[in-house]
Amino acid sequence: GAGVSQSPSNKVTEKGKDVELRCDPISGHTALYWYRQSLGQGLEFLIYFQGNSAPDKSGLPSDRFSAERTGGSVSTLTIQRTQQEDSAVYLCASSLGRAGPGNEQFFGPGTRLTVL
Amino acid sequence: GQQVMQIPQYQHVQEGEDFTTYCNSSTTLSNIQWYKQRPGGHPVFLIQLVKSGEVKKQKRLTFQFGEAKKNSSLHITATQTTDVGTYFCAGKYGGSNYKLTFGKGTLLTVNP
Repeated sequence: GAGVSQSPSNKVTEKGKDVELRCDPISGHTALYWYRQSLGQGLEFLIYFQGNSAPDKSGLPSDRFSAERTGGSVSTLTIQRTQQEDSAVYLCASSLGRAGPGNEQFFGPGTRLTVL
Repeated sequence: GQQVMQIPQYQHVQEGEDFTTYCNSSTTLSNIQWYKQRPGGHPVFLIQLVKSGEVKKQKRLTFQFGEAKKNSSLHITATQTTDVGTYFCAGKYGGSNYKLTFGKGTLLTVNP
């Protein structure tokens, strides 16, 4: 596609429910990243994929958070038993996945998650 | 762990004044990137610096990478209202993965 797309753009859920957030990266980008951004805050790294494997899951806040990537393309971030502190904008980014120049990250528009 | 510290957290200037934001890492970076996030938007890539002491310019924006590859700065000359947003630096450390470590960003507001 032309850019990174994410769905849904907004998600309102009740505390305790599970949610799934989807990211569709730029075609041909092997690296995919998930970040969380609370209101007015910086980018909190969650997880990074190279192809379908996740070399770095160090940012996942708890075992309620998981992510997968299939076919080296679409990724899903799942939050189980959501809590109010999970409310944030979840940003996905993709990059070519190579060293050196040109490896900038392209961000999607984000999913705004609100947990009531 | 590896962290990139960015200061200041906020900067408010009058239109026409200059602006600088600084990033610092305690360990050597492989390269550093800069991103801009407009209010309500998502981060957009500005530039990447790779070489020790590198300086790059984009119109009124000047980016520098320190000689030791541990610090970087972004300087905007004669700010305009269109410069409003949060500027993030993002450092890559050595290794085979492509993860970036983002600074917390500097929010720039410009008074017309």
